[in-house]
Amino acid sequence: DVKVTQSSRYLVKRTGEKVFLECVQDMDHENMFWYRQDPGLGLRLIYFSYDVKMKEKGDIPEGYSVSREKKERFSLILESASTNQTSMYLCASSLWASGQETQYFGPGTRLLVL
Amino acid sequence: AQRVTQPEKLLSVFKGAPVELKCNYSYSGSPELFWYVQYSRQRLQLLLRHISRESIKGFTADLNKGETSFHLKKPFAQEEDSAMYYCALMASDSNYQLIWGAGTKLIIKP
Repeated sequence: DVKVTQSSRYLVKRTGEKVFLECVQDMDHENMFWYRQDPGLGLRLIYFSYDVKMKEKGDIPEGYSVSREKKERFSLILESASTNQTSMYLCASSLWASGQETQYFGPGTRLLVL
Repeated sequence: AQRVTQPEKLLSVFKGAPVELKCNYSYSGSPELFWYVQYSRQRLQLLLRHISRESIKGFTADLNKGETSFHLKKPFAQEEDSAMYYCALMASDSNYQLIWGAGTKLIIKP
């Protein structure tokens, strides 16, 4: 079974704080994704990585950065948290292989920025 | 532009009634389409994909290229089907990224 874990289920931070969200997968997947999940907006891709040290901006990268130093770990960084970044953050991973594109999700981190 | 539209934010049906969750897409190429489901307090997971042509938990979805639709159907709804359902599209040149619909919350009334 693929396992994707996220470092925290709930986080409360103050405006201006630097926030780190970590995601680890144990299936040697090449692709890793960070999404925001907001009611009525579905999932919006923040960043995507298809290999170590590689990253691509998604639909809403502003205010976020990412780090992929090891294949199994993909970190999302909020450099200076703002209240409009209060959301549910989902990490996912998948293989880089045609026919194997299923994305496997972590449990999510619910972030509240005060 | 590539887009996935789920016109219903909320769908409520009685147990035993048929269910159809609508999904329309906009993409000029040959898409791959998926339905993902999120049950209460569980992680988002794949329900089915059009290329597999399979039925999962009694759900089926047929790709209609003429109508650019991929509606999810089940003939007899069960209470455990209550969940959030997302339709997603993968374009052939997308580097395995998915384009997501906004989701439909399905509530099955007893």
